[in-house]
Amino acid sequence: GAGVSQSPRYKVAKRGQDVALRCDPISGHVSLFWYQQALGQGPEFLTYFQNEAQLDKSGLPSDRFFAERPEGSVSTLKIQRTQQEDSAVYLCASSRDREHQPQHFGDGTRLSIL
Amino acid sequence: DQQVKQNSPSLSVQEGRISILNCDYTNSMFDYFLWYKKYPAEGPTFLISISSIKDKNEDGRFTVFLNKSAKHLSLHIVPSQPGDSAVYFCAASSFYNQGGKLIFGQGTELSVKP
Repeated sequence: GAGVSQSPRYKVAKRGQDVALRCDPISGHVSLFWYQQALGQGPEFLTYFQNEAQLDKSGLPSDRFFAERPEGSVSTLKIQRTQQEDSAVYLCASSRDREHQPQHFGDGTRLSIL
Repeated sequence: DQQVKQNSPSLSVQEGRISILNCDYTNSMFDYFLWYKKYPAEGPTFLISISSIKDKNEDGRFTVFLNKSAKHLSLHIVPSQPGDSAVYFCAASSFYNQGGKLIFGQGTELSVKP
């Protein structure tokens, strides 16, 4: 497909487990972003990659959150020792690395921590 | 602090009439503004954008207006259609200062009634 692909669409985990969320951006898009969206709120920035370089991780809520994009394409967001407050929709977006380019979003992964 | 605000959580309009969605921002460094539409269980879909050097951008039924002095933007949908019913998010970014990460408002749920 031509869009941003995220997997899994839904993930249920027990508190304390580690989870990994995958994002496959639009081909050729250099920039990749992760956002967290709580119910009834707008998405909130987590981290940003330009190719394989993680240029901004200021939005990651704790050191339990880790993201990587080793080959500059697919990205993985990992959450270690999950807590109930991590329950949210995690959105990935990609864009061209130029000024004033819209970001295109995947459908997200809905994470529920029991 | 909320840098981007959508003060109306919901809006209801009649089919065929104009829908006006509003957004205010506080950060004068923002230079690119976007509107996204979101259906349940889907990711945000890019609708229309405007750079800070313009005050209006039009795409079919959708027009975005930017008033920099008031730090206010609005999205006009004319004529409104039932399929426009969704949650609309405004977002802002500053490419050179923040790497293009998007700051979102809380969203406005638009309901277009036949």
